[in-house]
Amino acid sequence: DAKTTQPPSMDCAEGRAANLPCNHSTISGNEYVYWYRQIHSQGPQYIIHGLKNNETNEMASLIITEDRKSSTLILPHATLRDTAVYYCIVRVTQSGGGADGLTFGKGTHLIIQP
Amino acid sequence: NAGVMQNPRHLVRRRGQEARLRCSPMKGHSHVYWYRQLPEEGLKFMVYLQKENIIDESGMPKERFSAEFPKEGPSILRIQQVVRGDSAAYFCASSPGTILPYEQYFGPGTRLTVT
Repeated sequence: DAKTTQPPSMDCAEGRAANLPCNHSTISGNEYVYWYRQIHSQGPQYIIHGLKNNETNEMASLIITEDRKSSTLILPHATLRDTAVYYCIVRVTQSGGGADGLTFGKGTHLIIQP
Repeated sequence: NAGVMQNPRHLVRRRGQEARLRCSPMKGHSHVYWYRQLPEEGLKFMVYLQKENIIDESGMPKERFSAEFPKEGPSILRIQQVVRGDSAAYFCASSPGTILPYEQYFGPGTRLTVT
């Protein structure tokens, strides 16, 4: 799986959009970009994933550059409960056969300020 | 639809005892993953199982650790003769494994403390 690079920490004011960058310059054509987060002491939580196109769900938006070498996770209106470590993971998935374990890096510790 | 369930949530064992951690995947999910998070460290993949099969155990320590996912019942992570270094949070995740791209859903974890 391709390696990812994320800033170790970021601050964001409550109510503002939080934009979390991720570099994955060695990504392959069959690798997806996933985002998970871990709120202190809890199990990781799946947020969103994408391959080429931008994606949006009820939690966040994922913007992937045209060359796919980087992406940005956007939390449109951050709340205090969004304070967590956010992980950007790039991995191959295989049709019909399941997939291997996730490789978590150090992630970005996002702190939402009141 | 209930999420991934893990029990116990907290487990205290003395050195040399055995620890058994249980994981019930989400309904309809046939793939289970175990991860370990040591204090102040990131999550590390341990093992990936499907019903009655170990698919990938590349992250499992070579000794004392074993995992199973029987045809009936929860997946079990077993640690024999625990040592203080085994103290960690152990997370289980499940995925349906049949529909791309296989996002994993995590349980709340079991916090193992070895005294």
